[in-house]
Amino acid sequence: NAGVTQTPKFQVLKTGQSMTLQCAQDMNHNSMYWYRQDPGMGLRLIYYSASEGTTDKGEVPNGYNVSRLNKREFSLRLESAAPSQTSVYFCASRVGDANTGELFFGEGSRLTVL
Amino acid sequence: GNSVTQMEGPVTLSEEAFLTINCTYTATGYPSLFWYVQYPGEGLQLLLKATKADDKGSNKGFEATYRKETTSFHLEKGSVQVSDSAVYFCALSEPNAGNMLTFGGGTRLMVKP
Repeated sequence: NAGVTQTPKFQVLKTGQSMTLQCAQDMNHNSMYWYRQDPGMGLRLIYYSASEGTTDKGEVPNGYNVSRLNKREFSLRLESAAPSQTSVYFCASRVGDANTGELFFGEGSRLTVL
Repeated sequence: GNSVTQMEGPVTLSEEAFLTINCTYTATGYPSLFWYVQYPGEGLQLLLKATKADDKGSNKGFEATYRKETTSFHLEKGSVQVSDSAVYFCALSEPNAGNMLTFGGGTRLMVKP
């Protein structure tokens, strides 16, 4: 039961470097999400994809891009990393966009930008 | 816009103590309310939910009642265990906001033997 799988789990970057966080889910969910978690601020939505082929900005999209490669995969790219992007990133998915739909989360990716 | 406010932690309790973690919300419509739990080194997982006023969500001995009159969804457990040590997040989702989840800041619970 893999659920939501994120890679890498840890990454250290220098300012200005780029990287892509990968996410895959095996639950046949339509909707996928990228959040960042910062101390005392809870989780903030970066981007989401309500269905294959669509992506939309969330609360804090600046500095990020996403790709919904297919129904299973949703990647998050930092083109030019900044120290303010040091955070723990979580990918999540759910069946649809229903008000009561449970989110399933990956284990997180801890990113440090020096 | 929508927002969720939780009591700041950490909350430190002895085993078998009673737990309350306060959560209040602001929403423009009729939200669904959730509690998620994050164990060390893991992602968040749904603990319980309530979809309308006066509903009580419950799971693993935890309970929370959706109180529309006080816009609250406080988490309670009668007797905590060391294994309950985790970070707890209150959240809401609402059709007016595209059903996106809005999370509170999280409350860390530490239970001592």
